[in-house]
Amino acid sequence: KAGVTQTPRYLIKTRGQQVTLSCSPISGHRSVSWYQQTPGQGLQFLFEYFSETQRNKGNFPGRFSGRQFSNSRSEMNVSTLELGDSALYLCASSSAQPTDTQYFGPGTRLTVL
Amino acid sequence: QKEVEQNSGPLSVPEGAIASLNCTYSDRGSQSFFWYRQYSGKSPELIMSIYSNGDKEDGRFTAQLNKASQYVSLLIRDSQPSDSATYLCAVRAGANSKLTFGKGITLSVRP
Repeated sequence: KAGVTQTPRYLIKTRGQQVTLSCSPISGHRSVSWYQQTPGQGLQFLFEYFSETQRNKGNFPGRFSGRQFSNSRSEMNVSTLELGDSALYLCASSSAQPTDTQYFGPGTRLTVL
Repeated sequence: QKEVEQNSGPLSVPEGAIASLNCTYSDRGSQSFFWYRQYSGKSPELIMSIYSNGDKEDGRFTAQLNKASQYVSLLIRDSQPSDSATYLCAVRAGANSKLTFGKGITLSVRP
């Protein structure tokens, strides 16, 4: 099976712009979770989508949003970018069974100038 | 109180030694526990999952879970330089709940 894919892999934006990141889960996986990883804060949970519905949400401002499509692909959007949004954004997919494992994509490295 | 805590690092062990990584969690109802390894510049990859009290072994890796004491640990036997990475503990409280990660501990295995 192909793994989780994320596009783009690298992105450079300036403050105030917006950005959209994409994640394609492993075939058959219906749950997609998004995380922000920074050296100081570690892996911070953004949100989780399951069957096109947001099932869980982390403690991030409303500038961070996401959605999931009927084919389970997911996008996250960050509006009005701030310098502090520079991070590695990871998505992970799972088949969403109670004891199931999340598999991570390679991540998108976002730099905000 | 942090939800998932890992003992502070970094941790340095000589090649061939046993590396012991510990993790505590605050939600007593937690059901699923995972250890991920993350090499510098890469994404996390699963090493072990454990769901019931006791030990679970997979090659050189052993995960230990004690729900009464709310801790989960990872032992790496015969540590190799290739084991040098950051190890992340993750806990899921229950079905449909989010996966919460600790901040990770960096392991360095000296040749």
